Amino acid sequence: AIRMTQSPSSFSASTGDRVTITCRASQGISSYLAWYQQKPGKAPKLLIYAASTLQSGVPSRFSGSGSGTDFTLTISCLQSEDFATYYCQQYYSYPLTFGGGTKVEVK
Amino acid sequence: EVQLVESGGDLVQPGGSLRLSCAASGFTFSTYSMNWVRQAPGKGLEWVSYISSSSSTIYYADSVEGRFIISRDNAENSLFLQMSSLRAEDTAVYYCARGGTTVTTPSRQDVWGKGTTVTVSS
Repeated sequence: AIRMTQSPSSFSASTGDRVTITCRASQGISSYLAWYQQKPGKAPKLLIYAASTLQSGVPSRFSGSGSGTDFTLTISCLQSEDFATYYCQQYYSYPLTFGGGTKVEVK
Repeated sequence: EVQLVESGGDLVQPGGSLRLSCAASGFTFSTYSMNWVRQAPGKGLEWVSYISSSSSTIYYADSVEGRFIISRDNAENSLFLQMSSLRAEDTAVYYCARGGTTVTTPSRQDVWGKGTTVTVSS
């Protein structure tokens, strides 16, 4: 199975900050990478797929980049509603696998 | 409105069985692959199983292979997960999630239900 490693696992930030989360795959996955946001007690929400394509309805402050094994999720100007846990997922091959998650907390 | 609604979660004893259901609405269910994804308390997301639109292709995570069976009824717009030989480590919120419309390649999950809780304990 392809292992997905996210970093950091958590960090504190302030509203207005530029935030970057990284995700590394244990083998090349081309651009078959998705990012999800999850808030406590809620289902995950798809933010980005194909590494850099913004899902419909997702604010443009979210962006994704990368291909192969190294990927990033960037939030250009953190808003209060963005404090959440973020997961990357590879959908290059089965079993689908998720990163361990990155929790963005209020500083 | 595109919607997925899970049901069937319950408290069950180790070794027991349970059947989860997911009712789909607002889209042409028969053209989409579907997935089950679970999340143990305080833990991350774990993909569990995949079924193609026609049920011709099915995959399972190693952790559930041989114990869980995924199925669907396109006439009823429903997805199922039959769970047997349940273990404490199967305790989780189980989400159904929509996949893509192609059979040949995996897809991101763009629509998720709110989840149903399975607790395995004596």
